[in-house]
Amino acid sequence: GAVVSQHPSRVICKSGTSVKIECRSLDFQATTMFWYRQFPKKSLMLMATSNEGSKATYEQGVEKDKFLINHASLTLSTLTVTSAHPEDSSFYICSARAIPSGRFPPSTDTQYFGPGTRLTVL
Amino acid sequence: GQQVMQIPQYQHVQEGEDFTTYCNSSTTLSNIQWYKQRPGGHPVFLIQLVKSGEVKKQKRLTFQFGEAKKNSSLHITATQTTDVGTYFCAGRGADSWGKLQFGAGTQVVVTP
Repeated sequence: GAVVSQHPSRVICKSGTSVKIECRSLDFQATTMFWYRQFPKKSLMLMATSNEGSKATYEQGVEKDKFLINHASLTLSTLTVTSAHPEDSSFYICSARAIPSGRFPPSTDTQYFGPGTRLTVL
Repeated sequence: GQQVMQIPQYQHVQEGEDFTTYCNSSTTLSNIQWYKQRPGGHPVFLIQLVKSGEVKKQKRLTFQFGEAKKNSSLHITATQTTDVGTYFCAGRGADSWGKLQFGAGTQVVVTP
């Protein structure tokens, strides 16, 4: 399968600081990456869709100035949680959808998930 | 908007038993995907169903897509302790740019 990495895997920060989370597709290119938030024992909540070279599309209720997304290349998207507060503490997971190719036929609509980042804001 | 509902939310199974988890969408789907998330882990893709009435098997797992492409099921036979985890269905709207909407997941606990 395809590999997606996330860095850092765990971060603890003070309230008011900003935290950057990186999502990388290691062995494939992805024009589209997705950022999810997951609360304990809950489902994945889509926060935004990140498109390489263009602005991210945010879901209703997600503050774009709070959660800054940059998709600078076909293998890297970053999520910056600005002025973090304790209520931002969560598990943040990214996923990437591969560019169709011989390895990833157009009919394949798989999203490959990163291992997640556990953010704790004190 | 599109909603994906999954039942049951919690399934306690005796090792060796069978069980089924169900997924229902409020709208017609272009495809449905199933993911498994182990405790402490991240979702891992299991399968994608595209055709109406499609049935796919992976060893002890049987996935089915409804005729109307609005519901799906995952049936696991002879449950093993390795089946522990949360199983999510995720449906993509019939619009080709439709979002992948995740269900709430079925948390499976297996008793030896």
